[in-house]
Amino acid sequence: DTGVSQDPRHKITKRGQNVTFRCDPISEHNRLYWYRQTLGQGPEFLTYFQNEAQLEKSRLLSDRFSAERPKGSFSTLEIQRTEQGDSAMYLCASSLTGNNEKLFFGSGTQLSVL
Amino acid sequence: AQKITQTQPGMFVQEKEAVTLDCTYDTSDQSYGLFWYKQPSSGEMIFLIYQGSYDEQNATEGRYSLNFQKARKSANLVISASQLGDSAMYFCAMSETSYDKVIFGPGTSLSVIP
Repeated sequence: DTGVSQDPRHKITKRGQNVTFRCDPISEHNRLYWYRQTLGQGPEFLTYFQNEAQLEKSRLLSDRFSAERPKGSFSTLEIQRTEQGDSAMYLCASSLTGNNEKLFFGSGTQLSVL
Repeated sequence: AQKITQTQPGMFVQEKEAVTLDCTYDTSDQSYGLFWYKQPSSGEMIFLIYQGSYDEQNATEGRYSLNFQKARKSANLVISASQLGDSAMYFCAMSETSYDKVIFGPGTSLSVIP
């Protein structure tokens, strides 16, 4: 069990640029979640996958955000035309269906949009 | 609509004392899961405890116990014999069977005083 890994740990970008984050879940976990967290707040649900199927995307999420999990293993989260309001910690978590949805989190990607 | 409410933005507790962190939730599902996570200043999210809506007994995990009152829709976390290392943000979370995604409350910041 190598845990959930996220890359990069930090990303600084200019407004209007596109960014992509990667998440590698625990290998046997079939569910993968993306959350966004700002300072002093709880994680905000963005989207989640079961295997390669995207089950739900937050209605609050702009169309500039897209996520994929092409082979049911790693996932990518892309933000197009970044805005300063996108600055946040992006957390990935994985779980095994039937394990009471206990989430294992990665260390997150801290995005700063200048 | 806010699904999970944590009314205590910040709490203080003396070392070795017990502390209760409040959580109320809103759901129309009969089957759901409730969780507590800890987030120290280092940022990682750590699973603490889980309670299923059909579990008859309150969950316990070491010094952590969950005071589950289904009729009141509350799931308070009790930490016994507080330690300095318990200083962290604590998040209550819920998964609803019909949606399955895990959503988080706004969190409570706990500070343990020596």
